[in-house]
Amino acid sequence: DVQLVNSGGGLVRPGGSLRLSCAASGYIFGDYWMSWVRQAPGKGLEWVATIKPDGSQTDYVDSVKGRFTISRDNIKNSLYLQMNSLRVEDTAMYYCAREKWASFDSWGQGTLVTVSP
Amino acid sequence: QSVLTQPPSVSAAPGQKVTISCSGSISSIGNNYVSWYQQLPGTAPKLLIHENDKRPSGIPDRFSGSKSATTATLSITGLQTGDEADYYCGTWDRKILGGGTKLTVL
Repeated sequence: DVQLVNSGGGLVRPGGSLRLSCAASGYIFGDYWMSWVRQAPGKGLEWVATIKPDGSQTDYVDSVKGRFTISRDNIKNSLYLQMNSLRVEDTAMYYCAREKWASFDSWGQGTLVTVSP
Repeated sequence: QSVLTQPPSVSAAPGQKVTISCSGSISSIGNNYVSWYQQLPGTAPKLLIHENDKRPSGIPDRFSGSKSATTATLSITGLQTGDEADYYCGTWDRKILGGGTKLTVL
């Protein structure tokens, strides 16, 4: 079975940095595009970033461009999100998700990022 | 940037049918695949429908999807109390996700 396990969240001050991780198992990680999707408290889902299977192409929602970097290690079957210059409005549960069938077919359990003075 | 609009809430009785709409534009919905996700309280989202009307393995046929030029619809028949959740639509156009609809099973 596909399993995605998120980690790395926590409390950080505005302007700080955090690195999220997503450990994948149960499938050939290097065959799939991967994304990060976030959900602010009490709000809806927002796609944040995506990365091609070989890591050669990435894309971001406008609000995080220049601050967040998505990356992957296909040897370690892991996905990452480096978040710099964090803002209060980045507070959210962050999920990694596998892309399949023009959709997000498998999701991690989420890791909570809280940005607060 | 395209926007997908969902009703904030819908409700129906157990055993009944409910539909949840997802409105957009021809460019967002009409020209893209639509997917639907279920998020039970306190859990991660789960894929219900992909490519407009296809169910992943394990999703009951009580859940179905359809699409017109500018509106996608999720239908749930034979409602159960366990269906109470938030439901989100999404398109592959910039990976936009709707605002979500809270389903209450009365």
